[in-house]
Amino acid sequence: DVKVTQSSRYLVKRTGEKVFLECVQDMDHENMFWYRQDPGLGLRLIYFSYDVKMKEKGDIPEGYSVSREKKERFSLILESASTNQTSMYLCASSLSVFLGGYGYTFGSGTRLTVV
Amino acid sequence: AQKVTQAQTEISVVEKEDVTLDCVYETRDTTYYLFWYKQPPSGELVFLIRRNSFDEQNEISGRYSWNFQKSTSSFNFTITASQVVDSAVYFCALSAASKGGGSNYKLTFGKGTLLTVNP
Repeated sequence: DVKVTQSSRYLVKRTGEKVFLECVQDMDHENMFWYRQDPGLGLRLIYFSYDVKMKEKGDIPEGYSVSREKKERFSLILESASTNQTSMYLCASSLSVFLGGYGYTFGSGTRLTVV
Repeated sequence: AQKVTQAQTEISVVEKEDVTLDCVYETRDTTYYLFWYKQPPSGELVFLIRRNSFDEQNEISGRYSWNFQKSTSSFNFTITASQVVDSAVYFCALSAASKGGGSNYKLTFGKGTLLTVNP
């Protein structure tokens, strides 16, 4: 089975800190994604990457950046954490060519609290 | 632009009741895929089903069934004889299948429906 692993289940950071959320997938998927999930708002796409060193903004990229130096790893960076970035962050990956047919595989999520 | 609407924010039922979760979608693409995911309290989204836009056959998998109707742009999900373990947030999602750049390679999710099945 494809596995998507997020390095931390829970994180508590201070306002202004630089925060790194790490995600690793083990099935050679081309596409990787970062979502945040908030009550009443569902899942919103922050950034995604369809190849190494490639990235594209999602629906809510402000305050975030990403890095994909290797195919299996996709990092989400909060340059200066703020309290409104307190949320559940979900990483996902998928095959590229027939994306629609395969859907996404998700990690277990990182619950980030910024104090 | 793609949009998925799950009008039911929360549903509460008693065990063994049948329950239907509604999903209405919008897209201009003629080729697209629809998905349902389950998110139990543990947090990980679990894939349930995929349906492409050319296949309107309904599907049944155990106690789960899905009704896809292009005429009403709906992809509803029914759980028959619900159980406490079905308690979760359920997400409907839409993806265009066309290639042509990264902007097509993403799922658009509804806001989810929280299903609570009480014993």
